[in-house]
Parts: sequence; C-alpha cells; structure tokens
Amino acid sequence: GAGVSQSPRYKVAKRGQDVALRCDPISGHVSLFWYQQALGQGPEFLTYFQNEAQLDKSGLPSDRFFAERPEGSVSTLKIQRTQQEDSAVYLCASSLVAGATNEKLLFGSGTQLSVL
Amino acid sequence: RKEVEQDPGPFNVPEGATVAFNCTYSNSASQSFFWYRQDCRKEPKLLMSVYSSGNEDGRFTAQLNRASQYISLLIRDSKLSDSATYLCVVNTGNQFYFGTGTSLTVIP
Repeated sequence: GAGVSQSPRYKVAKRGQDVALRCDPISGHVSLFWYQQALGQGPEFLTYFQNEAQLDKSGLPSDRFFAERPEGSVSTLKIQRTQQEDSAVYLCASSLVAGATNEKLLFGSGTQLSVL
Repeated sequence: RKEVEQDPGPFNVPEGATVAFNCTYSNSASQSFFWYRQDCRKEPKLLMSVYSSGNEDGRFTAQLNRASQYISLLIRDSKLSDSATYLCVVNTGNQFYFGTGTSLTVIP
C-alpha cells in the first residue's frame, strides 16, 4: 500500500477484555516498530521486528502484551486482560532498511485504545 | 534518565517570530537524529534529518552538536500552520528514542 495502515482506528474495551491491533506496513519494508503514546507524551518503544524476527521486545510493559509478524509483513499487537493504564494510542512504524544510519520511520495513523 | 530530553513548552509565539527548540540525548553512540512533527490526534511525520554539518530546509534549520549531545531546530518567520508538537528523535542503531515533544502555538 501507499502508507502504513493500522486498524482499528479506535477501540473501546472493557477492563479484562483481550484486544488485537493490526499493522500493515509499507510493502517491502524490513523493519517494523510498535510504540505506545500516552496523552501529552512522546511515543514509547514497545517492540521491533526485522522481517519476521522479533529482535527487541524490551519495551513491552508486561506479559499481557504480545506481538507477532509471522510472515514478515502484517503485524499484530495483542493485549490480554486489558487494564485502564493500557489506554493510549498504539503507533506502528516501518522502515525500508534495517539498521542503516539513515533509516527513517514512517508511521501509521495509530489505534486509539480506551479501556473502561 | 531518559534517552532524549526536551523542554515540553508550550511555546506561544506571534506570526513571523523566530523560535528555537533544543533537545539533549544521553547515548554518545547514537547514530542518527531527526525532528518529527506531530499534529493533534495525528501520527508523527518526519520533518527533517539532522546532520553534524547542520542542514536547512526553507524556514527550518537543524543542527547537531555531538560533543555536547545536543540537537536544535530553528523555525524562522513562523506561520500559523507551524502550530504542532515537535519531537526530537535519536536512533541508537537498535532503537528510535523519542523525546516528549515540544508544543508550539503560533498566534495571529
């Protein structure tokens, strides 16, 4: 596609519910990142894939968070047993070249998750 | 200590003013540097890369001081459309770290 696509755009979940957020990166982009952005804050790193390999998941806040990219393209971020503190915008970004010094991130529109 | 520190502002400036934002980073091995712009309820978008030699794009000038681990963005002749949050971004080779962003409002 022309850009990074995320769905759903908005998600309202009841506390304790599981949610799945989808990211469809730009075709051919090797690197894929997930970020969490709380209101008034900058994006905080969650996890990073290079093709299908999850190279860094150090930013995932708890074992309720799980991400996958099984075929090296579409990625899903899953949050189990959602809590109110999970409410945030979840941003996906992709880039063409892995590990290059001029690597640039292109973002999707994000999924705004509200946990009631 | 956060990887990237920015003054959150807000900066409220009149049209036509010059405004400067600063950012410091903690990892001396950081490889590349960027300024992103984020409008309200929108995703961050790349504004410009930042090079050691300094670079300019129209009214925008970015500079990097590796010795001081300091990045700056200068906006000249501010327009109403420049109102946004400006995010300082540092790539350490493994991760991209974002500052909290600096809020700019340009007032008519």
